[in-house]
Amino acid sequence: DAGVTQSPTHLIKTRGQQVTLRCSPKSGHDTVSWYQQALGQGPQFIFQYYEEEERQRGNFPDRFSGHQFPNYSSELNVNALLLGDSALYLCASSQDFRPYEQYFGPGTRLTVT
Amino acid sequence: GENVEQHPSTLSVQEGDSAVIKCTYSDSASNYFPWYKQELGKRPQLIIDIRSNVGEKKDQRIAVTLNKTAKHFSLHITETQPEDSAVYFCAARTGRRALTFGSGTRLQVQP
Repeated sequence: DAGVTQSPTHLIKTRGQQVTLRCSPKSGHDTVSWYQQALGQGPQFIFQYYEEEERQRGNFPDRFSGHQFPNYSSELNVNALLLGDSALYLCASSQDFRPYEQYFGPGTRLTVT
Repeated sequence: GENVEQHPSTLSVQEGDSAVIKCTYSDSASNYFPWYKQELGKRPQLIIDIRSNVGEKKDQRIAVTLNKTAKHFSLHITETQPEDSAVYFCAARTGRRALTFGSGTRLQVQP
């Protein structure tokens, strides 16, 4: 049984560019949450997707958008990249009827130069 | 929204000693409090959690206590080992809302 997977592992982009990160949830999980973890800090919530809709959003600008597909996988898109967007982006999955257990993927390390 | 504060930011102990990490939260409606361990370059791993209807939970060398009145919870690691060295994060959650994380504690266990 595969756990949460993310791609790519690492990514280097230039300021102003756009990036798409991908996440496949743990088998049986239907809810996907995205977090941004800057170096030396705790993860910060970006948004959560359930039933292909954004159910909850953290304090992130509209440059951050997402999508959930019918197979529950999800994408995170960031437009007009800033240097401050450099971070580890973590995807976490859970079951809606059992929200307490949330499992994290390995993350995507994004570097903006 | 929820705010979680975590102390200390760094903690160094001798192998075999105990380690305690403390967190406070602001939202009295929070009802779920997990602890994650994150090793360098790896994903956060859930090590123990507690719900608001329980005051204490133990799993081998790890225990978590919760004081709902004071809105704080703590992680206790006994008989620490070098492999316990990592960054530990507390978090709080209300229902299906997102987790709010603390700022992390870097634990160093000296052999």
